[in-house]
Amino acid sequence: EIVLTQSPGTLSLSPGERATLSCRASQSVSSTYLAWYQQKPGQAPRLLIYGASSRATGIPDRFSGSGSGTDFTLTISRLEPEDFAVYYCQQHGTSPPLTFGGGTKVEIK
Amino acid sequence: QVQLVQSGAEVKKPGASVKGSCKTSGYSFTWYPMHWVRQAPGQRLEWMGWINTGNGDTRYSQKFQGRVTITRDTSASTVYMELSSLRSEDTAVYYCATNVGATAFDVWGQGTMVTVSS
Repeated sequence: EIVLTQSPGTLSLSPGERATLSCRASQSVSSTYLAWYQQKPGQAPRLLIYGASSRATGIPDRFSGSGSGTDFTLTISRLEPEDFAVYYCQQHGTSPPLTFGGGTKVEIK
Repeated sequence: QVQLVQSGAEVKKPGASVKGSCKTSGYSFTWYPMHWVRQAPGQRLEWMGWINTGNGDTRYSQKFQGRVTITRDTSASTVYMELSSLRSEDTAVYYCATNVGATAFDVWGQGTMVTVSS
């Protein structure tokens, strides 16, 4: 099973600041199968990034993804008030189980 | 528009089973797989399994093997997930999710809260 470790656990930032979230895999993950989600309290997750760097439909360009192999990054260039949430990375390769990281909470400083 | 609508909240006793539904609309049901993901309170998302809605083939996480069954009704464009031998640790929100417009889960149901308590 591929274990995804996200860091930091919590990120305290102000609106307008840049957020950099990390996702490290226990073994190499094809970029094709690395995704990022945003989740707000009481809501289902929302897909932000798939294929490590492709934005999903309707996602603003302040969200970007990068990385390869075992190290992936989600960057939010300038935080808007609606961006304060929990973010999860996911690998959904061809061999189950699909796994999620433990999440990074981006909170208002 | 593409939509997944899940069944309502359930309260079950330990040892019982629960069966949730995920009704789809707005796309060709048999073209895309359906996954089930759960989230216990304050915990990470956890993948349970998926079904090929075209031929009915399923694949489950080893953690739930033997306790989970995912089925589909093509005439109703609906997928079902049944979890048996419930224990308190199964208290969670259960989501169905699919990938219609992207390679990852771009469409999610609203979730079904399952509470297991004596």
